[in-house]
Amino acid sequence: KAGVTQTPRYLIKTRGQQVTLSCSPISGHRSVSWYQQTPGQGLQFLFEYFSETQRNKGNFPGRFSGRQFSNSRSEMNVSTLELGDSALYLCASSSTSAGNEQFFGPGTRLTVL
Amino acid sequence: TQLLEQSPQFLSIQEGENLTVYCNSSSVFSSLQWYRQEPGEGPVLLVTVVTGGEVKKLKRLTFQFGDARKDSSLHITAAQPGDTGLYLCAVDRAGNNRKLIWGLGTSLAVNP
Repeated sequence: KAGVTQTPRYLIKTRGQQVTLSCSPISGHRSVSWYQQTPGQGLQFLFEYFSETQRNKGNFPGRFSGRQFSNSRSEMNVSTLELGDSALYLCASSSTSAGNEQFFGPGTRLTVL
Repeated sequence: TQLLEQSPQFLSIQEGENLTVYCNSSSVFSSLQWYRQEPGEGPVLLVTVVTGGEVKKLKRLTFQFGDARKDSSLHITAAQPGDTGLYLCAVDRAGNNRKLIWGLGTSLAVNP
């Protein structure tokens, strides 16, 4: 079974731009969660989608948004990029919305200049 | 202030040595997870501990959950270069295994 895939793997943007990151979960998994990882803050939960509905949300500003498609693939969007948005963005998939192990993708490394 | 404090932050050892890393908090948790993250990859779940005083073994890795369920340790025996990575602990405060709170991790380098 193929693992979680994320595209692109690396991205460089400038302040004020917007970016869209993509995540394809493991086949059959319906839950997709997004995390931001930085050296100073560690991993922080952004949001979770299950069957195209946002189920949980972390404490991030509205510039961070996401969606999930009927095939469970998910995208997250960050608008009006700030320097502090530079981070590794990780996607994790799970078969259900609660209690099951999450499987992480390799992440997208976003650099904002 | 981090809810979970991991120590040490960095550790560099020689192959064959033993080591212990810690995950501490002032809060009580129903369960705690340990992950390993290798460079260029996402975290991979190693173990979940749920009972105070619980000890779990995974080959050369031994995990312990404190009696009061506020802290945990990970001991590696005879470390190998393949053990190199970032070791993260995480706790589930929402009870749904989703809104995990993470420590900053211990970065381990095992030199051949």
